[in-house]
Amino acid sequence: EVQLLESGGGLVQPGGSLRLSCAASGFTLSSYVMYWVRQAPGKGLEWVSLIGDNGEITSHSDPVKGRFTISRDSSKNTLFLQMNSLRDDDTAVYFCARAQGGWPNKNLDCWGQGTLVTVSS
Amino acid sequence: DIQMTQSPSSLSASVGDRVTITCRASQTITTHLNWYQQRPGKAPKLLIHDAAGLQSGVPSRFSGSGSGTDFTLTISSLQPEDFATYYCQHSYTVPLIFGGGTKVEVK
Repeated sequence: EVQLLESGGGLVQPGGSLRLSCAASGFTLSSYVMYWVRQAPGKGLEWVSLIGDNGEITSHSDPVKGRFTISRDSSKNTLFLQMNSLRDDDTAVYFCARAQGGWPNKNLDCWGQGTLVTVSS
Repeated sequence: DIQMTQSPSSLSASVGDRVTITCRASQTITTHLNWYQQRPGKAPKLLIHDAAGLQSGVPSRFSGSGSGTDFTLTISSLQPEDFATYYCQHSYTVPLIFGGGTKVEVK
């Protein structure tokens, strides 16, 4: 069964750091474009980051550029999101998601259950 | 960036109703348009890809249409499990942008 399982969320103070993980099972993560999407409480969906299937292409949305870094470990079949200099408005549920194929596919056909990040003092 | 405008933001309907949700892009995106369903507390689920492609496993009462800047998601006969929030998303380029969502509620 194709599955994504996020972990690493929690409560962090403004200015702090957190690393999210997304463990993939049932497929090889490095064969797909992978995404992070977030959803602030009661709000809509917002794209955060992507990494291409070859691992060489990465992109981040303007609100997180320079603070967040997406990466993956193919040996662990796991996707990561390193989040630094966290701000109150980064509070959200963070989902990892898989595109339907390799670059430049942007149809997100498999999603994890999400992990909540709360930035607050 | 391409902006996506969904309408309405919410609607009330009854089981068996035909429901239509629209999504407009700020510039042409050809058919690079996806639709997702999100139930409360759950992850989004891909329903329609590339404007009109029914995702595997999705009931045929869901359909999508449109090209260029104007798109439509139709539920032909609303079922109890369809009360949820629906989002469009363009897949034309980066950054990916989602519409603001349409909440389908019980009338």
